[in-house]
Amino acid sequence: GIQVEQSPPDLILQEGANSTLRCNFSDSVNNLQWFHQNPWGQLINLFYIPSGTKQNGRLSATTVATERYSLLYISSSQTTDSGVYFCAVRQGGSEKLVFGKGTKLTVNP
Amino acid sequence: GAVVSQHPSRVICKSGTSVKIECRSLDFQATTMFWYRQFPKQSLMLMATSNEGSKATYEQGVEKDKFLINHASLTLSTLTVTSAHPEDSSFYICSATGFDTIYFGEGSWLTVV
Repeated sequence: GIQVEQSPPDLILQEGANSTLRCNFSDSVNNLQWFHQNPWGQLINLFYIPSGTKQNGRLSATTVATERYSLLYISSSQTTDSGVYFCAVRQGGSEKLVFGKGTKLTVNP
Repeated sequence: GAVVSQHPSRVICKSGTSVKIECRSLDFQATTMFWYRQFPKQSLMLMATSNEGSKATYEQGVEKDKFLINHASLTLSTLTVTSAHPEDSSFYICSATGFDTIYFGEGSWLTVV
């Protein structure tokens, strides 16, 4: 099946710093999403981005489908950004999501 | 507010007993829901696809007799962990698609003692 790899696995930042998270996938996809899982386990949908670039406040994401990768940018990070960021993909007509292993982000005050 | 609600959020049970977790879509009907399992510091792994009015589809390696899924209505799917053992302790989370968006429940922390 499709492989989804995220990097880095862990990231520690000082408040105010910027960061880039990467997601590589091994095959063509028709859907890619970025999620944030907070310390309580809740998954929040950040972006639905099978291709192109989207921005939402301090967050933005870019997916280059032809090169099979996506990037999540976090600018001016805040302590509330801490948590695990997951990339997940879908293929074909399936509704199943395949998740990467996540990037654990810690933002220190 | 949440559009997919999961209950209970935390449950502790004794080894050998069964535990039921509910997943409800609040503002939309969902013919398909998904159940995931997440071990500490690991990613989410799809367990099964819950299909309204028919049998669930289980992923390879998931015991269908241990993890019973029932999707009796368009807004409710249940996951029952039967004869639970400590190794079943995990975070279980469901999802459903509505308004062209995938929504996740709040998740359920299961601890088997």
